[in-house]
Amino acid sequence: DIQMTQSPSSLSASVGDRVTIICRASHKINNYLNWYQQKPGKAPKLLIYETSTLQSGVPSRFSGSGSGTVFTLTINPMQPEDFATYFCQQSYSTPPFTFGPGTKVDIK
Amino acid sequence: QLQLQESGSGLVKPSQTLSLTCAVSGGSISSGGYSWSWIRQTPGTGLEWIGYIFASGLTYYNPSLKSRLTISVDTSKNQVSLSLTSVTAADTAVYYCARTVPSVVGGSPDWFDPWGQGTLVTVSS
Repeated sequence: DIQMTQSPSSLSASVGDRVTIICRASHKINNYLNWYQQKPGKAPKLLIYETSTLQSGVPSRFSGSGSGTVFTLTINPMQPEDFATYFCQQSYSTPPFTFGPGTKVDIK
Repeated sequence: QLQLQESGSGLVKPSQTLSLTCAVSGGSISSGGYSWSWIRQTPGTGLEWIGYIFASGLTYYNPSLKSRLTISVDTSKNQVSLSLTSVTAADTAVYYCARTVPSVVGGSPDWFDPWGQGTLVTVSS
């Protein structure tokens, strides 16, 4: 299975900050990398698919990039509603699909 | 707007069978070439993909659960079901169903959208 890691596991930010989250895959996954946002008590919500394509309705302050084994999710600028946990997920080598452990973004 | 709603046994005894249903509304489970996944989440192990099924009945399971798992589809009721046998405390989790979307029509499933709200299943005597 392809293992996914994320860094940092948590971070504190202020409204207006630029936030970057890194996702690493244990093997090359081309651009088969997706990002989700999860708020407490809610299901994950798709933000970005195939590394950099914003899901319909997702604000343009979210962006994704990367290739191979290293990918980033950037939020710029942070808004109050963006404080949440973010997960990456690979779909290159499936089954099984695998997820990163998550990065919790809270208010500084 | 497509909506998914999980339901089923919230408390299951160890060694028994966990059964859940995902009702899909706002669209047909048979259209679009999508598959339908089950995913679970625990604080300790994070998000774990369980398996998916196409409307045709074709399934793919996570090898780690395959020996205990059955996913089925009822197109007449527009729903998908999960059955997990011989449960232990390690199966305690929030269980989600989600539509699995291919990047190209007819291609392999890639991402999950949308998700149901999830249902907590606790395994305890």
